[in-house]
Order: sequence, then structure tokens, then C-alpha cells
Amino acid sequence: GAVVSQHPSWVICKSGTSVKIECRSLDFQATTMFWYRQFPKQSLMLMATSNEGSKATYEQGVEKDKFLINHASLTLSTLTVTSAHPEDSSFYICSARDLFLALTSRYNEQFFGPGTRLTVL
Amino acid sequence: QQPVQSPQAVILREGEDAVINCSSSKALYSVHWYRQKHGEAPVFLMILLKGGEQKGHEKISASFNEKKQQSSLYLTASQLSYSGTYFCGTEGTTSGTYKYIFGTGTRLKVLA
Repeated sequence: GAVVSQHPSWVICKSGTSVKIECRSLDFQATTMFWYRQFPKQSLMLMATSNEGSKATYEQGVEKDKFLINHASLTLSTLTVTSAHPEDSSFYICSARDLFLALTSRYNEQFFGPGTRLTVL
Repeated sequence: QQPVQSPQAVILREGEDAVINCSSSKALYSVHWYRQKHGEAPVFLMILLKGGEQKGHEKISASFNEKKQQSSLYLTASQLSYSGTYFCGTEGTTSGTYKYIFGTGTRLKVLA
């Protein structure tokens, strides 16, 4: 089955530092990856859509300069939280669309990474 | 626009049934259902594509109404393992950009 990995699983950092989170599709190619943020007891909120080889599309209210997204290859997207602050502490999850399925199927199952829990002190 | 789920939370005893609803103000291309355990990523349950479609496996099934604006997830004879938060997910395009958005979520707790 399709597997998406995220690294790191947990990260604790000091306020003001930057944190990079990687999202990899291990056994399929993904032209599109999504980044979500989930605060305790809330839903997953889409932050941005990451497209391979082009700029990410950010949702309203998400700062582009704070959450840098790079999708350099068909299997890797990175999210960098720059100058992190305690309010950025959250559970960050990525998901990926399988390129083959997207081209051949009517629907697009999302394959999720295991998530990264970020705590900013 | 984020689909609204109801109820927000429900507590069941083992063996009881539950229905979770997902409503949208506009017709959806498809609806996906997920279950998320605390601290973990969502796990895909099923997808519905067509208006009027019903689908299920084992004791979990779902329906998609004719107008494709509402979907319901049915949990029958609930088990302890059903506990978690259930989300509906919807896909669509906005200004040419493909998006995937989750509903507000329903927390389910099954007690022994």
C-alpha cells in the first residue's frame, strides 16, 4: 500500500528558531501534497497545497513567509516553520495524492503521514 | 467551505449504534470518511462518489444523499475500537486549485 512518512515525529524547540518537517511518499509519486495543522480537539485545517515544481497555494490566513513550503521532487515536500512561537505548537500532518491514481481514477484517496508534533517553548 | 458534522461528540456503550452526519452548503464531488485516534494520522474508511450511493464493510457503512450535500456514517454494534474522532473529507477545486478539506469532526467514545 501507499506509504507516506514524516520526519521528525516529535520536535521541541525554543521560541524564535526554525523547524523543518519533511513529508515523503515512499512507494509512489505525488505531484500534490497537502499540509494540515491540527490543534487539540479540533479538525485538521488545510494550511497549503504543495505542488511539485511550482509555488505552494496557501489558505487564507496562513502566512507564506512563516510557513515555507518546498516541493522539490515527486516524493518530497518540506514545511519550514520559521521563527516559531508557542502559538505554532500543533500537530502537523501531510498527505499526498498518488499521481497514477489521480490520472486513472475518478477519485483521489489521500495518503497521510503519521504527523509531526511540534512544541515551541 | 468546511463541511459541518453532527453530533460534535457522542458516547456509546459497546453494542450500541451511532450515526454521524456530514453536511455541506454546496454539492460535493465526493465524500471520504476517516477515523483518527488521538495523536495519530487519520485512517481512511471509505469513499462515496455518487448521489444516492450506499457503501459499507463489516459494521460500518455510509450513504451519500441524492443532492450530494449530505453524507452519513453508520456504526452498528459498536466496539471499543471504534472510539476516536471521525472526519468527513471532501475534495474540489477553488480557482483551479485542487483542495482537500476536512469536516468539523465528531468525537466518539465507546464504553465497555
